[in-house]
Amino acid sequence: GQQVMQIPQYQHVQEGEDFTTYCNSSTTLSNIQWYKQRPGGHPVFLIQLVKSGEVKKQKRLTFQFGEAKKNSSLHITATQTTDVGTYFCAGLTGGFKTIFGAGTRLFVKA
Amino acid sequence: IAGITQAPTSQILAAGRRMTLRCTQDMRHNAMYWYRQDLGLGLRLIHYSNTAGTTGKGEVPDGYSVSRANTDDFPLTLASAVPSQTSVYFCASSEEVTDTQYFGPGTRLTVL
Repeated sequence: GQQVMQIPQYQHVQEGEDFTTYCNSSTTLSNIQWYKQRPGGHPVFLIQLVKSGEVKKQKRLTFQFGEAKKNSSLHITATQTTDVGTYFCAGLTGGFKTIFGAGTRLFVKA
Repeated sequence: IAGITQAPTSQILAAGRRMTLRCTQDMRHNAMYWYRQDLGLGLRLIHYSNTAGTTGKGEVPDGYSVSRANTDDFPLTLASAVPSQTSVYFCASSEEVTDTQYFGPGTRLTVL
């Protein structure tokens, strides 16, 4: 079946270092969404990418959607302790189903 | 404040018991979803509803049932709970199936 793979599963960084998580789909996606879940919390929507090659920025976060609309990445510049949490990508398939990746859990050491 | 609520917050349940997790949204969203979250497995879709009166099976539907009698409510029922159903359950809603999903605070369920 259709899958959305996300790597790495977890990442430990020193505060101030950069962080990237990658999302890959087995099929072309209509859009991709990114969510953040703080420890003990629930997933919260961050951003949606729709166009091939689209790049969006939110302060220190940069989101990219691949040219083939099958992969995406989230890059955080100069991580802070407030960035701690799990980041999920979620791809919308042609069948109008949203498939979540397994998430990347980010640990930031002060 | 508009949003999505879930009840109970947490529950410990004996195996074999029946349990209904409640989910209510006041955003008049058409689509609603139930996910379970287990460590290392991310969010797995149990059941969904594209609009009131319709439901569909997700990735892991066995042992669970849902109903969507109206727009606001989407209860999830475990007919006879088993320990493997120990998990955190999230309800979510979106205006349409293609839109951003808004998640409830979750229900932590332990089946002994």
